[in-house]
Amino acid sequence: GAGVSQTPSNKVTEKGKYVELRCDPISGHTALYWYRQSLGQGPEFLIYFQGTGAADDSGLPNDRFFAVRPEGSVSTLKIQRTERGDSAVYLCASSLMGHDNEQFFGPGTRLTVL
Amino acid sequence: LAKTTQPISMDSYEGQEVNITCSHNNIATNDYITWYQQFPSQGPRFIIQGYKTKVTNEVASLFIPADRKSSTLSLPRVSLSDTAVYYCLVGYLGNGGSQGNLIFGKGTKLSVKP
Repeated sequence: GAGVSQTPSNKVTEKGKYVELRCDPISGHTALYWYRQSLGQGPEFLIYFQGTGAADDSGLPNDRFFAVRPEGSVSTLKIQRTERGDSAVYLCASSLMGHDNEQFFGPGTRLTVL
Repeated sequence: LAKTTQPISMDSYEGQEVNITCSHNNIATNDYITWYQQFPSQGPRFIIQGYKTKVTNEVASLFIPADRKSSTLSLPRVSLSDTAVYYCLVGYLGNGGSQGNLIFGKGTKLSVKP
């Protein structure tokens, strides 16, 4: 079956704009994760969904970042009033259950804030 | 929260065995140890996961001493295509809606030469 997909693959925006990044997890995976990866760094955890609810959002850097997963499948990461420091690759992963299982990562969305 | 320390880079030659060690002195009782591989412009890919002693699959082995304060990823007979960044991940054991915070190390850049 298909893996995790993310759209768009690249997003260029201007400082202060609003952006939405989409993640389509593997069908049947109940757990969904968002990470942010800057150049030369490891992925940085942002938020973890178990079903429709955010089980852990402690990694969100501030209140400009928000994520939803209304039907327990597709998730959208929303960033308000973007800043140049938000530029990074945003990775989404899904797994069958939770933290003790293998995570399947998507290719990421490269966000560039000018 | 457990944090990990890995060598920044390693060099090897085709056909050699490569061992990458990760330190995680503050690992918690419920934490699992997971290793991921990442190629440029791709999301990380699961390699292996373990809790204690030794785990082996078709691509790697994972050695975890009794105190679990470190782990070693062993790649037998590497090839050029194994050139990638390898991340050590220490995370909470999921259990339904239990919360956790997954922390990637900074990664080890492995370069395999002909």
